[in-house]
Amino acid sequence: AQTVTQSQPEMSVQEAETVTLSCTYDTSESDYYLFWYKQPPSRQMILVIRQEAYKQQNATENRFSVNFQKAAKSFSLKISDSQLGDAAMYFCAYRRRWGNEKLTFGTGTRLTIIP
Amino acid sequence: DAGITQSPRHKVTETGTPVTLRCHQTENHRYMYWYRQDPGHGLRLIHYSYGVKDTDKGEVSDGYSVSRSKTEDFLLTLESATSSQTSVYFCAISESIGQGALGEQYFGPGTRLTVT
Repeated sequence: AQTVTQSQPEMSVQEAETVTLSCTYDTSESDYYLFWYKQPPSRQMILVIRQEAYKQQNATENRFSVNFQKAAKSFSLKISDSQLGDAAMYFCAYRRRWGNEKLTFGTGTRLTIIP
Repeated sequence: DAGITQSPRHKVTETGTPVTLRCHQTENHRYMYWYRQDPGHGLRLIHYSYGVKDTDKGEVSDGYSVSRSKTEDFLLTLESATSSQTSVYFCAISESIGQGALGEQYFGPGTRLTVT
């Protein structure tokens, strides 16, 4: 079974600085997707960024980028120029590419932004 | 934002009573999911649907049933609520791979259920 591990329950960063959230996963599959979701205090789950395992290039979305290391099964999220609105729980998630597969989530990292 | 609504948004009920949560989508997506979120566990899949009247179990399905009689509606029922089912419940939808989707799921706003 696939597992997703987020080893940092809490992180904090100074406003305007850069922070990296860690995620590792375990799978025997070679073709899959990885995601980072953000959950602010409103509780809404918001898709931040997506990575396709068959693509070597790391995904980027504005201030958000990932460091995808397939061999190491590592998928970290880097947030540049941190803003107060980035404060949230961040969840890493995995799914196999094909089939109606569920998302397997990590336990989350709570990110605090220090003004 | 994807058109997904959940009702009710909050509910308090007593142990042993039946409870039904509703998820409604306006995106015409094929797949619908019910997750529960608990501290220390992230989100875990309860049941999912891959079409009208087509459903299957997830990893924490005991004590829950689902039904999907229309593409847009996915109901989650707790036949006899227990305190261990106190949680936040999320509905999610996704399109088929190859329909322009890349595996992402879009989530509703969540329902906070408290069983006393």
